[in-house]
Formats: sequence, structure tokens, C-alpha cells
Amino acid sequence: QVQLVESGGGVVQPGRSLRLSCAASGFTFSSYGMHWVRQAPGKGLEWLAVIWFNENENYGDAVRGRFTISRDNSKNSVYLDMTSLRVEDTAVYYCARGRDRVIGHWGQGTLVTVSS
Amino acid sequence: QSVLTQPPSASGTPGQSVTISCSGSSSNIGTNYVYWYQQFPGTAPNFLIYRNNQWPSGVPERFSGSKSGTSASLAISGLRSEDEAIYYCAAWDDTLNAVVFGGGTKVIV
Repeated sequence: QVQLVESGGGVVQPGRSLRLSCAASGFTFSSYGMHWVRQAPGKGLEWLAVIWFNENENYGDAVRGRFTISRDNSKNSVYLDMTSLRVEDTAVYYCARGRDRVIGHWGQGTLVTVSS
Repeated sequence: QSVLTQPPSASGTPGQSVTISCSGSSSNIGTNYVYWYQQFPGTAPNFLIYRNNQWPSGVPERFSGSKSGTSASLAISGLRSEDEAIYYCAAWDDTLNAVVFGGGTKVIV
């Protein structure tokens, strides 16, 4: 059974950095693209980034140049390194497994609050 | 402003059917699969429909997806109170090289 568990969220000051992690289990991790998606309070879903099985990456316009996605197949984990954080980055961040270049299974999310 | 366009809300009474539209373009829905997700307040989205009209295991066939040209739709038949949720469509966009979402449709029963 597919399980995705995010960690690393919390309260951070504007301008600081944060790393989110996502531990995967229940499938052959190295064979799948992995995505990060976020949802600001009361808003819809915003796609952030994907790292494909071949380690190529794509990013959404809102985070390109500030956020970096990476993976460690030996640890069945995907990461999101977030720099120069802004108040508007406050959101629940979801890790998700890819399917057909879109998203299949989702994790439960981790809350990031950017506030001074 | 979302790349895919959904109505903000849809409603129906128990037992009725409701249909949610999702409008895109040739670079996303026109050439790629459409996925649908269901989200209850305070929880993560659930994977509801994949490849335009396929069901993941455990999803009741009361939910059905379809696609025509650059638009897709999700139909819920035999509406139940527990279907009250927000529904999102998504697709890969070949021009943006990104996953694009609709803005979400709140279904009210």
C-alpha cells in the first residue's frame, strides 16, 4: 500500500530557508516521478515541482529559482529545499507520487507557516 | 487564475446527478490525460479518476469521468451527503512543462 509521509514543516521567518522531506513506502520508489504541491489556507491546489525517475526536474513559475526538488532512491525519499521564504509561501505542502505525468497518491501534508 | 477552468460550485439533492466541467486547451487536456481529485476539509486530496475515465481501486462507479477535445467532466450519480467535498481536475501541460489544476468545484448536497 502506497504511503507518503511528509516532515519538516513549521514556523519560519521571512527570508529564511526550510527543507521538507517525504518518506515513501509500498512501491518501487525509483521507478516513479515524485511531485510537491501546496495549498494556501482557503485556496486551491498549486503544483510546485516534479523530479522524474531519471532525476530530471520541472518547476512551477511561482517557485522556480527559489525551491529545489531532489530525491534519494537509497532512502526512498524526496525533498523540497525552500529558500528566501515569503509570507505567501504559507501553505500545507503535499508530497505526491506521479502517474502519467500527473499525480496519483498523495501524502497527508505538512504545514509551513512563514511569519515574523 | 487557474489554467484549467472549473465552476466554483455545483449542487444537487440526494439521489440526483451532478456534473462538473473542466475546460483547458490543446496543450493540456487536448493532448494529455485528465485526473480528478476529491478533497474534504482539512484532509489531503484523494485520487478519484485517472486517464480521463478510469477508477482507482475502491472508488465507486457513481463517479465517472469523460473527455472531449479540450474539455473534461466529472459526473456524480446517486448523490449522497458524503459526496460534499471540493473536486479538482488536473492535467500535464506540454507548453508549461507543469501539472496544471482547475480552481476546484465545491459540491453541495
